[in-house]
Amino acid sequence: DPKIIQKPKYLVAVTGSEKILICEQYLGHNAMYWYRQSAKKPLEFMFSYSYQKLMDNQTASSRFQPQSSKKNHLDLQITALKPDDSATYFCASSQDRGFNNQAPLFGEGTRLSVL
Amino acid sequence: GEQVEQRPPHLSVREGDSAIIICTYTDSATAYFSWYKQEAGAGLQLLMSVLSNVDRKEEQGLTVLLNKKDKRLSLNLTAAHPGDSAVYFCAVSAVGSALGRLHFGAGTQLIVIP
Repeated sequence: DPKIIQKPKYLVAVTGSEKILICEQYLGHNAMYWYRQSAKKPLEFMFSYSYQKLMDNQTASSRFQPQSSKKNHLDLQITALKPDDSATYFCASSQDRGFNNQAPLFGEGTRLSVL
Repeated sequence: GEQVEQRPPHLSVREGDSAIIICTYTDSATAYFSWYKQEAGAGLQLLMSVLSNVDRKEEQGLTVLLNKKDKRLSLNLTAAHPGDSAVYFCAVSAVGSALGRLHFGAGTQLIVIP
């Protein structure tokens, strides 16, 4: 059974709309992350959270807003969608940000297409 | 910032042969090194991780070598089989303000020919 659940697996959106990508982990981890994988760039770090607090933000645009309603949830809200936002978005988690026990484990991803 | 170069971008080997993938990095503060495997349409599967105090680690047909002097990390798949066909990524992480942030290589598409 997958321990990091991302929903939906596929998402199609129109330019200018808003979408929320869901991520839940059942590993008891304290740190969660979002990464983006597009055809143009290698896997890119976006955000890290630790104990539901934002620790690192490498995303230039404020259109991307992570939301953590519970310790094991880290959703990603994307507003005013653009075609360039088309990518696969991966959620990941680790016991802590120092990777003392293990490197981050990744979910299956949400593949977003913006038309 | 950290720059990670990975080569080769594509690699074809015959079943039973070894496959070697190399990454170089730039940040001397890099302290954590990982390899991930991504099969078509799937997420990233963690293969192996090493800390900076480890030069060599072997697990289940995989060997990771770390050369800190040259800032080079390699993954050797010994006796590759068709099930190893996938994209492989190295990922590195530093300490300090970049704690928890993985920097990935561009990936190596490995094809193992039966």
